[in-house]
Amino acid sequence: GENVEQHPSTLSVQEGDSAVIKCTYSDSASNYFPWYKQELGKRPQLIIDIRSNVGEKKDQRIAVTLNKTAKHFSLHITETQPEDSAVYFCAASPNSGNTPLVFGKGTRLSVIA
Amino acid sequence: GAVVSQHPSRVICKSGTSVKIECRSLDFQATTMFWYRQFPKQSLMLMATSNEGSKATYEQGVEKDKFLINHASLTLSTLTVTSAHPEDSSFYICSARDSTGAGNEQFFGPGTRLTVL
Repeated sequence: GENVEQHPSTLSVQEGDSAVIKCTYSDSASNYFPWYKQELGKRPQLIIDIRSNVGEKKDQRIAVTLNKTAKHFSLHITETQPEDSAVYFCAASPNSGNTPLVFGKGTRLSVIA
Repeated sequence: GAVVSQHPSRVICKSGTSVKIECRSLDFQATTMFWYRQFPKQSLMLMATSNEGSKATYEQGVEKDKFLINHASLTLSTLTVTSAHPEDSSFYICSARDSTGAGNEQFFGPGTRLTVL
């Protein structure tokens, strides 16, 4: 089955700096890679996703890159703000409605004002 | 985006009792729903895949007789924690995909925090 590794587990950045979180996956059949932001006690919120037919996707301060050959994908947050502080999870899944997401272990991001 | 509700949001029960958690897709149909468990400061761990009209598929290490799943309609899946014990205390989250949509996005419920005394 799929295995998703996520690094780092914790990340502290100064406000305004960039943050990068990296994930690797093992199943070459996976072709959907979402990123979730989870605040304490709340549900995961989808912030951006990418499918395997593209290598990069950007939405304002957030971007995701995908390298299918190397089986890794990364989340980039630019101009970080204190409200970006949360736990971020990457996930991977094949393109099937019956297949669940496999999550990484999460990265606790702290943006220091 | 689509909305998934979960009820109750919080429950405290005595050891040995059973607790039922409901997961509903409010504005879409979901032939498949997923149940996750999240312990403090940990990731979401898949417990089982709930299939409408058929038996759930459980992940390795998850006891099907302890975590009963029923998916009787296209908008409702229930998870019953039977004979709950303190070690079952956790945050339980369901998710669903829109069966009629072409996308992969999963929509998460708000979660249920279970505390077993």
